[in-house]
Amino acid sequence: AQSVTQLDSHVSVSEGTPVLLRCNYSSSYSPSLFWYVQHPNKGLQLLLKYTSAATLVKGINGFEAEFKKSETSFHLTKPSAHMSDAAEYFCVVSDRNSGTYKYIFGTGTRLKVLA
Amino acid sequence: KAGVTQTPRYLIKTRGQQVTLSCSPISGHRSVSWYQQTPGQGLQFLFEYFSETQRNKGNFPGRFSGRQFSNSRSEMNVSTLELGDSALYLCASSLVGAGDTGELFFGEGSRLTVL
Repeated sequence: AQSVTQLDSHVSVSEGTPVLLRCNYSSSYSPSLFWYVQHPNKGLQLLLKYTSAATLVKGINGFEAEFKKSETSFHLTKPSAHMSDAAEYFCVVSDRNSGTYKYIFGTGTRLKVLA
Repeated sequence: KAGVTQTPRYLIKTRGQQVTLSCSPISGHRSVSWYQQTPGQGLQFLFEYFSETQRNKGNFPGRFSGRQFSNSRSEMNVSTLELGDSALYLCASSLVGAGDTGELFFGEGSRLTVL
C-alpha cells in the first residue's frame, strides 16, 4: 500500500534563508512523486515531479527535490525563501495500476516566510 | 491553452439542498478527478472519470455522485447537503496516453458553504 508523510505541518523561515520541507513515502511500486503548492483560495499548482529519471529534480520558482530511494524521501528545498513562497505545500505519491494513476496526498506543510 | 475551469467559484446552500458543480478540463485531457478539501480532513479523493466512465472512487457516501460527458467535461452532484459538506471542491484533469507523466492539473476550486 502507498502512503506519504509530510513530517512538518508548519514551517517558518526568514526571507532569504533556505527552505526545507520534508516528505517520506511508502510504495510497493516504482512511484512517481510530485510537489504541489497551493496559495489561499486557489487550486494546486505543480512545482516539480519525479518519474524515474534524474533523482535531483528542478522545478519552478527555484525549488528542487531529491529522490532518495534508500531513505524513501523526497524533500523539497529552496536556497533562498521569498515572501511569495508563503503557501501550503503538498507531497504526492502515485503509481500506475492497470493503466490508471492513484494519488496519495500528504497532509500538507504550511510555509510561513518572515520579513 | 486554457486551464481547468470550475464553476461556480463560490456558492452558499442550506442543509437538505442539492448542488451541482462543473469542471471543464484542459483541451485534450480525458481524465477528470474530483477532490474535497477541508481544514480537518485535508485533501480527499472523491472519484475519477475517463471516457465517461467512473474509473476510481474514494470513500464517500452515495450522496456524492459525478458524471463525465463526451467532451470530457464533468459534473459532480451532492444531494441532501449536510453542514460537513462545506469545503473547497477541486477538479483536476490529466492527459491519458502518449506523453502522460501522471501530472494532475487543478482548477481553482468551487467553495461550497452549507448553512
